Amino acid sequence: EAGVVQSPRYKIIEKKQPVAFWCNPISGHNTLYWYRQNLGQGPELLIRYENEEAVDDSQLPKDRFSAERLKGVDSTLKIQPAELGDSAVYLCATGRSSYNEQFFGPGTRLTVL
Amino acid sequence: AQRVTQPEKLLSVFKGAPVELKCNYSYSGSPELFWYVQYSRQRLQLLLRHISRESIKGFTADLNKGETSFHLKKPFAQEEDSAMYYCALSGHGGTSYGKLTFGQGTILTVHP
Repeated sequence: EAGVVQSPRYKIIEKKQPVAFWCNPISGHNTLYWYRQNLGQGPELLIRYENEEAVDDSQLPKDRFSAERLKGVDSTLKIQPAELGDSAVYLCATGRSSYNEQFFGPGTRLTVL
Repeated sequence: AQRVTQPEKLLSVFKGAPVELKCNYSYSGSPELFWYVQYSRQRLQLLLRHISRESIKGFTADLNKGETSFHLKKPFAQEEDSAMYYCALSGHGGTSYGKLTFGQGTILTVHP
């Protein structure tokens, strides 16, 4: 089966600019996660969706981050405006449900200058 | 609060030697523990989960609730085991399930 697709793979922007990441899940996967991975650290959950509902966004910095999952399939994560500290790899993962294995995408490496 | 600690950032062994990657956790309830692996230029992927009680690629991990540990072991390391390994924890119940908390990771290098 095709894996989780993320785009872009790399993004370089200047601080205060907006940026958006896109994730296409594996077909049939209802649960979708966005993680942020800082250099030398493990992934940290930002938001989790069950279908189109955000069931856990407690760790999403809502002053500048937003996410959506229209129709319960693709998802977009946005940062506006970006700060230097947002430089990281943003990972999308999907699963059939919260009780099942999470499959990770290749990630988007964001560099904020 | 959920917390996972991997005390070793780097671990080097020679081929054929035993290897143990340490993982300790903190969680007030009954957790589910996982090991994820990321090989060079590949995606993060699940290696094993404690409820499956499986041996994957020769690796095993036993949940020790008394010591709150979930160490990953392999009796004879192979060069292809070289990778980044992450220990992760998920809680049970409500919104906790599926919410993975990862450790900082251990880079395993197996020398020929």
